[in-house]
Amino acid sequence: GAVVSQHPSWVICKSGTSVKIECRSLDFQATTMFWYRQFPKQSLMLMATSNEGSKATYEQGVEKDKFLINHASLTLSTLTVTSAHPEDSSFYICSAPKTGRLNTEAFFGQGTRLTVV
Amino acid sequence: AQSVTQPDIHITVSEGASLELRCNYSYGATPYLFWYVQSPGQGLQLLLKYFSGDTLVQGIKGFEAEFKRSQSSFNLRKPSVHWSDAAEYFCAVGSSGGGADGLTFGKGTHLIIQP
Repeated sequence: GAVVSQHPSWVICKSGTSVKIECRSLDFQATTMFWYRQFPKQSLMLMATSNEGSKATYEQGVEKDKFLINHASLTLSTLTVTSAHPEDSSFYICSAPKTGRLNTEAFFGQGTRLTVV
Repeated sequence: AQSVTQPDIHITVSEGASLELRCNYSYGATPYLFWYVQSPGQGLQLLLKYFSGDTLVQGIKGFEAEFKRSQSSFNLRKPSVHWSDAAEYFCAVGSSGGGADGLTFGKGTHLIIQP
């Protein structure tokens, strides 16, 4: 299947600093990518839709100035958590849909564990 | 608004026994339904998906799921579980086959395998 890679797998940062998470589709192009957040023992919640060449679309309740998304190319989307606080600690997962001959399937990255201290 | 309910937070099954994980959905149109598995600290792996056609869907690792429109359910089954099946399982619904609009996930069911 297709491969979506996230980097880093885990990161620890100090409160007030910013952290950038990368999501790459390694063997296909993705005009759209999705960012999810998962709290411990909880489900994945869609945060935003990243659109190549245009602004991201944020779900209700997600602060766009807090979670900056840039879809720089057809294979790369980045999520920057700005001025991170401990409550931003979470597991962040991206996904990218790949359109094949018969259908479209979403492929997920391996996730990034963010800990803010 | 679409939603997914997984009523069982935890399920414990003996190795070799059969398994059924429940999933109910609420969706205004024809749903695209998915089951994913997540190992600790890992991303998601797609087990199977339902788009249309045959309501019994076969997936990887010996899993299958049955779509029942009348019950708004998409339960996951496996006839004989292995210790390696211990993980978190998520049911999800989307408006398109590949989650091109993003997916709505249930809260997950934690599967524990007893020796």
